[in-house]
Amino acid sequence: DGGITQSPKYLFRKEGQNVTLSCEQNLNHDAMYWYRQDPGQGLRLIYYSQIVNDFQKGDIAEGYSVSREKKESFPLTVTSAQKNPTAFYLCASRAGGAGTDTQYFGPGTRLTVL
Amino acid sequence: AQSVTQLGSHVSVSEGALVLLRCNYSSSVPPYLFWYVQYPNQGLQLLLKYTTGATLVKGINGFEAEFKKSETSFHLTKPSAHMSDAAEYFCAVKSSAGANNLFFGTGTRLTVIP
Repeated sequence: DGGITQSPKYLFRKEGQNVTLSCEQNLNHDAMYWYRQDPGQGLRLIYYSQIVNDFQKGDIAEGYSVSREKKESFPLTVTSAQKNPTAFYLCASRAGGAGTDTQYFGPGTRLTVL
Repeated sequence: AQSVTQLGSHVSVSEGALVLLRCNYSSSVPPYLFWYVQYPNQGLQLLLKYTTGATLVKGINGFEAEFKKSETSFHLTKPSAHMSDAAEYFCAVKSSAGANNLFFGTGTRLTVIP
């Protein structure tokens, strides 16, 4: 079954802790994305990666970090510098090349800060 | 720069009635436009997209949307609402040139009344 998996589905963090959200895809897609979703605000781009070993900041990158060591994986770390991390986090991927416009989304991780 | 405005954060329709969800975009170059649906605590699923060609686009689950350049609109419609259509709907725009990032609207929550 091809697709995007995110784990865990629910994550609880104490203030001051770093946590890492997993995103894996077996679609052989080149590009991967991380979005944050808050009620009434739609999706906001945190980081994206067009190819392995390269990534760029999105609109709200402060307090987050990523890596892209493998094509299949794009983990997101929420650091203690992120002041309001409670949100729903969505990972997406897109095939590379001209004409490949559609982003496909994983099921999401809901992060709650205790 | 690209942006999307979704008019109406909440829309309620009776089962069997017409569904109309509004989306207006802003783009300095010809846009690519998308509608995604999100069920509670799940990721986003592509309903339909417009890139080039025919301006009336048909998608999954009986939805369709029409690209109207003169009105900068891409409204989503379905002739007859089903209970299973209750979800949140997001409109998104991507520039046809340059980066492949999507810009999302704030979403419209559709309620279907039996």
